[in-house]
Amino acid sequence: KAGVTQTPRYLIKTRGQQVTLSCSPISGHRSVSWYQQTPGQGLQFLFEYFSETQRNKGNFPGRFSGRQFSNSRSEMNVSTLELGDSALYLCASSPGTGGLNTEAFFGQGTRLTVV
Amino acid sequence: GNSVTQMEGPVTLSEEAFLTINCTYTATGYPSLFWYVQYPGEGLQLLLKATKADDKGSNKGFEATYRKETTSFHLEKGSVQVSDSAVYFCALKVHSGGSNYKLTFGKGTLLTVNP
Repeated sequence: KAGVTQTPRYLIKTRGQQVTLSCSPISGHRSVSWYQQTPGQGLQFLFEYFSETQRNKGNFPGRFSGRQFSNSRSEMNVSTLELGDSALYLCASSPGTGGLNTEAFFGQGTRLTVV
Repeated sequence: GNSVTQMEGPVTLSEEAFLTINCTYTATGYPSLFWYVQYPGEGLQLLLKATKADDKGSNKGFEATYRKETTSFHLEKGSVQVSDSAVYFCALKVHSGGSNYKLTFGKGTLLTVNP
């Protein structure tokens, strides 16, 4: 069974540009969550999608947005990039409707560098 | 609110040494607790979990016991190997209403094991 796939693995963008990252969850998983990982802040939750609907949202500015398609694949978009957006962006998928015991399966991440 | 505090790293040990990484939490309700591991260049993988008080999670020689009275979930391994070198994240998951569940991570502890 294929794992969570994130593309691209690496990106270099210029301040002010926008970027779109993609995540394909494990087959059959309907929940996709996004996290930003930085050395200073650790792992911070961005948002979660389930059945094409945003179910949870973290405390990030509106420049960060996402969506989920009918095949559960998800994209996140960051507009007007800032240097501080440089980070590893991780996607995680979970089966079903979630639950306290449900494991999140992570992709390898997309390393975004803003110059 | 919900939060996870884990010991600051980095932690450097010699092979076969005993490992403890401390983790304490603050949560509303009754969380499930997790340890995730991130090997260099990879995403996070679930290492072990515990879903109720006094449960012990174990995997690959690692153990952690859910201690409700001390709100702790310390990670231990009796004899570490070079291949255990990674970043370890303690996390909790709570029910945040309806079908929503929120996963909160600690900042991570870098472990380096020298031969």
